[in-house]
Amino acid sequence: AQSVTQPDIHITVSEGASLELRCNYSYGATPYLFWYVQSPGQGLQLLLKYFSGDTLVQGIKGFEAEFKRSQSSFNLRKPSVHWSDAAEYFCAVGDSGGGADGLTFGKGTHLIIQP
Amino acid sequence: DAGVTQSPTHLIKTRGQQVTLRCSPKSGHDTVSWYQQALGQGPQFIFQYYEEEERQRGNFPDRFSGHQFPNYSSELNVNALLLGDSALYLCASSLRTVSTDTQYFGPGTRLTVL
Repeated sequence: AQSVTQPDIHITVSEGASLELRCNYSYGATPYLFWYVQSPGQGLQLLLKYFSGDTLVQGIKGFEAEFKRSQSSFNLRKPSVHWSDAAEYFCAVGDSGGGADGLTFGKGTHLIIQP
Repeated sequence: DAGVTQSPTHLIKTRGQQVTLRCSPKSGHDTVSWYQQALGQGPQFIFQYYEEEERQRGNFPDRFSGHQFPNYSSELNVNALLLGDSALYLCASSLRTVSTDTQYFGPGTRLTVL
């Protein structure tokens, strides 16, 4: 069965500093990988996705993620965080990219931005 | 272009009652998935509907059932509510035949079971 691990429950970063959120997955084949963000009281917004091809993917709001098959990782990065980035971040894996399968999510990482 | 909408926003029920949650998919989408998000946890997949049939199901009991209508909207029904059913219920829509499509989420329905 597929699974996703987000090792960091909370991360605190100063505004303007760089950010890396970790995600490890367990999956038998080539996974479809996603990062979503959830602000308080809101639904999930897709930041970026990896299906195939270039292992470095660019997303919205200045985020990027790198797929490393050898490490079973899909870490999310941002070079300079803004106070508005404070939110809950979820990594997810799916069997397909076409929305034809349920996604498996990690437990999330809560990002706190210090002024 | 309206995104995924869900109703109601909040709901309070007591143990043993039944509840129905509703979801309208994003325009042009034909597939609806439901997720349960307990406090402090990631969303967990309940089931997915396509062409008015349940196509895939996660590890949830039969108390959780659903329906999809010809206009692609969907309902999630939960019978015999337990305290542990208190959660944010998220609906996501997608277009099944597009391999590069993704799931777009609604704002959710917050269910509290007392």
